[in-house]
Amino acid sequence: KNQVEQSPQSLIILEGKNCTLQCNYTVSPFSNLRWYKQDTGRGPVSLTIMTFSENTKSNGRYTATLDADTKQSSLHITASQLSDSASYICVVTPNTGNQFYFGTGTSLTVIP
Amino acid sequence: ETGVTQTPRHLVMGMTNKKSLKCEQHLGHNAMYWYKQSAKKPLELMFVYNFKEQTENNSVPSRFSPECPNSSHLFLHLHTLQPEDSALYLCASSQSTGTYGYTFGSGTRLTVV
Repeated sequence: KNQVEQSPQSLIILEGKNCTLQCNYTVSPFSNLRWYKQDTGRGPVSLTIMTFSENTKSNGRYTATLDADTKQSSLHITASQLSDSASYICVVTPNTGNQFYFGTGTSLTVIP
Repeated sequence: ETGVTQTPRHLVMGMTNKKSLKCEQHLGHNAMYWYKQSAKKPLELMFVYNFKEQTENNSVPSRFSPECPNSSHLFLHLHTLQPEDSALYLCASSQSTGTYGYTFGSGTRLTVV
C-alpha cells in the first residue's frame, strides 16, 4: 500500500534554532518527492522538489535530502524564524497516473 | 498569489443551502483538482480534471458536484451538505502529467451549520 508518513507530528523550537523534519514513504515506483509549507488557513506552497537521482536540494534556509534506497527524506530548517511556523507536508508522486500521496504533515511552531 | 485563485475565502452555509466554490488558474495548466483538508488529516483528493474531462472521482458523495467548463476554471457545487463536510477545500492545478509539481490555491474555509 502506498503511504507517506511524517514525523514528528508537531514540533516547537526557539527562534534561531535549527530543526529537521522526517518523511518516510512506501510509494513505488517513485517519480519525485516534494516538500510544501502550509500557513494556517492557506494553501500549500512548494519548497523543494526532488527526483530519484537527487540527494539534496536547497531553497534558502530550507534543505531537503532524499535517500531513494531507504525511501526517506528530510527537511532541514536552519536559523528558524517566527514566520517558519506552519505545517510542512511531504508529497510523493509515483511514476504512473495523476495520483499524489500526501503525508499528514508536521506542525512547526517557532517561538521567540 | 500563487496563480491559482479561489473564491470565496470563507463560506458559512446551512444544510439546506446551495452554494458554489470557484477556482481559476492562468498558469497554462491542463489538470485541475479539488482536495478536502480536514483537521489533523492528510489532504484528500476529491476530483481530477484533465483537459476539461473528469478523470477521477474519489468516491465523493453526490452532494458535491464538480464542473470544469474549460482548462482555466473549476467549480465545486455544494448542496444539502452535512456538518462533517466543514473543512478547507483546496483547488490545485498542474501540467497534465502532474510530474512537474502542482500549484495550490489559498483554499475556501467552509463551515456547514
